[in-house]
Amino acid sequence: GQQVQQSPASLVLQEGENAELQCNFSSTATRLQWFYQHPGGRLVSLFYNPSGTKHTGRLTSTTVTNERRGSLHISSSQTTDSGTYFCAIGEAGSNYKLTFGKGTLLTVTP
Amino acid sequence: GALVYQYPRRTICKSGTSMRMECQAVGFQATSVAWYRQSPQKTFELIALSTVNSAIKYEQNFTQEKFPISHPNLSFSSMTVLNAYLEDRGLYLCGARERGNSDYTFGSGTRLLVI
Repeated sequence: GQQVQQSPASLVLQEGENAELQCNFSSTATRLQWFYQHPGGRLVSLFYNPSGTKHTGRLTSTTVTNERRGSLHISSSQTTDSGTYFCAIGEAGSNYKLTFGKGTLLTVTP
Repeated sequence: GALVYQYPRRTICKSGTSMRMECQAVGFQATSVAWYRQSPQKTFELIALSTVNSAIKYEQNFTQEKFPISHPNLSFSSMTVLNAYLEDRGLYLCGARERGNSDYTFGSGTRLLVI
């Protein structure tokens, strides 16, 4: 089945620094979705990005499907960016099943 | 916008008892609903994928006998954890998707503690 590897597992930054989160997957994917999980558990979709580059505010998602990788770039990090970021992959023909990575725990200090 | 509400937010049940959790989609039609469990170690397991007017598809290690799911219309789904034991604890997340839309919207989850 699909394997999703996220790196790093955890990351500590000082406010203002940039973060680069990586996602690698094992099988052909038709969908890559980035989520942010609030400390209370709520999962918020940041990007649905099957290929190419998308921007929202300080966030940039880049997916290179034929290389089976994606990345999430956070510029000028803020303490409110702290939390866990998950990459989830949907495969062709899997009836829209998402396979999640284990997440990157980001801590941004003042 | 598209929102998914889950309730209860937290629940405690005694070992061997059952509890039901609900998932409500607002602002869109939940053609497909995916139920996940997030373990205390934060890993996600897909329990089952439900599509309106189709059979519910359970993943390996999860069965209808243990996790019966109802998806009666395009805005509501429920799942029951029958005969809950310690290994069933975790955060149960419901993700819903509308036909023609590839991205899922998730609720805040139901956190199950078994004592």
